[in-house]
Amino acid sequence: QKEVEQNSGPLSVPEGAIASLNCTYSDRGSQSFFWYRQYSGKSPELIMFIYSNGDKEDGRFTAQLNKASQYVSLLIRDSQPSDSATYLCAGAYQAGTALIFGKGTTLSVSS
Amino acid sequence: EPEVTQTPSHQVTQMGQEVILRCVPISNHLYFYWYRQILGQKVEFLVSFYNNEISEKSEIFDDQFSVERPDGSNFTLKIRSTKLEDSAMYFCASSVGQFSGANVLTFGAGSRLTVL
Repeated sequence: QKEVEQNSGPLSVPEGAIASLNCTYSDRGSQSFFWYRQYSGKSPELIMFIYSNGDKEDGRFTAQLNKASQYVSLLIRDSQPSDSATYLCAGAYQAGTALIFGKGTTLSVSS
Repeated sequence: EPEVTQTPSHQVTQMGQEVILRCVPISNHLYFYWYRQILGQKVEFLVSFYNNEISEKSEIFDDQFSVERPDGSNFTLKIRSTKLEDSAMYFCASSVGQFSGANVLTFGAGSRLTVL
């Protein structure tokens, strides 16, 4: 059974701080990992994806992958109130296969 | 920017009725998906579709569910006899399915199904 686990939160950070979101996965065969953001009542929007061990940066966002520990994280630098949302971690076994989502972590950024 | 279009945005139906949810995936995408999200719960995979057939399905996708690509643009999810527990937001998604970024799913806005 492929599972993706996330702490549901809420994670509260002040504006301008770094928010750190974490995710673990059970299937060692999973090859690619995705972070989506979901505002209440809306559909998931892709933030970034990562395939290789290490860090991947995109603007204020950095994804980190450690396949040995089966651990994925997302860092959000200079957090803004508009970043307040639920962040979904997802994993996939190979190209074209389904993404398996975690329950999501709710982030609240206070101004 | 290309987008996935879903209709209807909200449907209310009586238990036992058939429902068809429609989706127009992004035109150059090859893989199509249906996910659902019960209120307050996680996004759950239902089924994926590639080359005019189901490529993968979850345990949720039982005989009450079916998918179809009736023409070159639409992708539909049919629930034959709805149950109260089918009430959820249903998301259609599509992906290129090849090369890097193959699994990058683009989601539609969703169809909210309410079963009374």
